Amino acid sequence: SQTIHQWPATLVQPVGSPLSLECTVEGTSNPNLYWYRQAAGRGLQLLFYSVGIGQISSEVPQNLSASRPQDRQFILSSKKLLLSDSGFYLCAWSVRRADTQYFGPGTRLTVL
Amino acid sequence: AQKVTQAQTEISVVEKEDVTLDCVYETRDTTYYLFWYKQPPSGELVFLIRRNSFDEQNEISGRYSWNFQKSTSSFNFTITASQVVDSAVYFCALSEAGSGYALNFGKGTSLLVTP
Repeated sequence: SQTIHQWPATLVQPVGSPLSLECTVEGTSNPNLYWYRQAAGRGLQLLFYSVGIGQISSEVPQNLSASRPQDRQFILSSKKLLLSDSGFYLCAWSVRRADTQYFGPGTRLTVL
Repeated sequence: AQKVTQAQTEISVVEKEDVTLDCVYETRDTTYYLFWYKQPPSGELVFLIRRNSFDEQNEISGRYSWNFQKSTSSFNFTITASQVVDSAVYFCALSEAGSGYALNFGKGTSLLVTP
């Protein structure tokens, strides 16, 4: 069966510091991968998605970036965090773009 | 414009009551998918159901049931005999062919079930 991991689970970072969040999927090959952010107020916003290694599509312009160095690894990064980057970051995977997306446990990021 | 509307922000019921969570969507595509996810306090989004636009048959899974009506663009979710463990935020979502099947979420309905 497929499983999706995210780490760290929680993170507190100062403004201006770098960020690296990691997501890995097990039990499937060539998944579509997604990063979402859920800010206070519950709305879920798609940040990035990837259909393959090195292929990243950005949905929202911001100071975040994503990379997919391996088939089942998806990384969310920032060079300098802003206060507005605080939120709950969720990674998800699907077999194909139109298929059900399955979510990881999330990373709760607080920028102070 | 909001493509998925969950008009109920918060609902509070007493255990064993039935509760219906409303979801209204907007699309011009003929091919689309509708989803419900549950987000318990732990935060992880748990997939509940996926329904495609060509299948209006209602579905029942244990205490959960879904009513899909294209005529009213609604995909409502009913929990029968609610339990405390049902307390969570529930999200309805839409993915459309015209948007590359990106998941478009509603703002969620927070359900509190008290003993």
